[in-house]
Amino acid sequence: AQKITQTQPGMFVQEKEAVTLDCTYDTSDPSYGLFWYKQPSSGEMIFLIYQGSYDQQNATEGRYSLNFQKARKSANLVISASQLGDSAMYFCAMREVAGNNRKLIWGLGTSLAVNP
Amino acid sequence: DGGITQSPKYLFRKEGQNVTLSCEQNLNHDAMYWYRQDPGQGLRLIYYSQIVNDFQKGDIAEGYSVSREKKESFPLTVTSAQKNPTAFYLCASSNQGANEKLFFGSGTQLSVL
Repeated sequence: AQKITQTQPGMFVQEKEAVTLDCTYDTSDPSYGLFWYKQPSSGEMIFLIYQGSYDQQNATEGRYSLNFQKARKSANLVISASQLGDSAMYFCAMREVAGNNRKLIWGLGTSLAVNP
Repeated sequence: DGGITQSPKYLFRKEGQNVTLSCEQNLNHDAMYWYRQDPGQGLRLIYYSQIVNDFQKGDIAEGYSVSREKKESFPLTVTSAQKNPTAFYLCASSNQGANEKLFFGSGTQLSVL
């Protein structure tokens, strides 16, 4: 069965430093996509970054990068130069590409607090 | 500006009452979704729709109903059969395609009086 595991319930980072949020996944399908979303206290989920299972390079979007290690089934989010506005919940999610599957499997999230 | 609008932001339900949460999008997306979020839990899929007049049950559809009469609108009704409706409800939409990201609304917090 598909599964997403985020082992860090809470993380602290000093402003301007980098932080890594862990995500491991389990799937038997060779084709899948991995997503990271940010949820600030306002509640809206904001898309951050996407990685396809066949992508040769790690995805990057501005200060966000995804450390994709396929053999270890991990897709860690790296936030560089943390800002106070990065304080939020962060969710990792996975969708299998094959078939007509429209479901995303979500992790439980990691709460990130950026200290000034 | 294109986006997803959910209303109301806060909603209170009395015992035995049905309530409807609104979700409207102007992104011209085919697919729309309803998720439930409980404290300390990830998102759980209630219903989704890939096309007008068609929708499928998600993982926790019992006690909920939806309709998709227009592409832009995907309202969720929380029926009296849902015995534990207190949660944060998020609506989302996306284009077709497995790697298409979801765009979310700002959510509705439903509480029971």
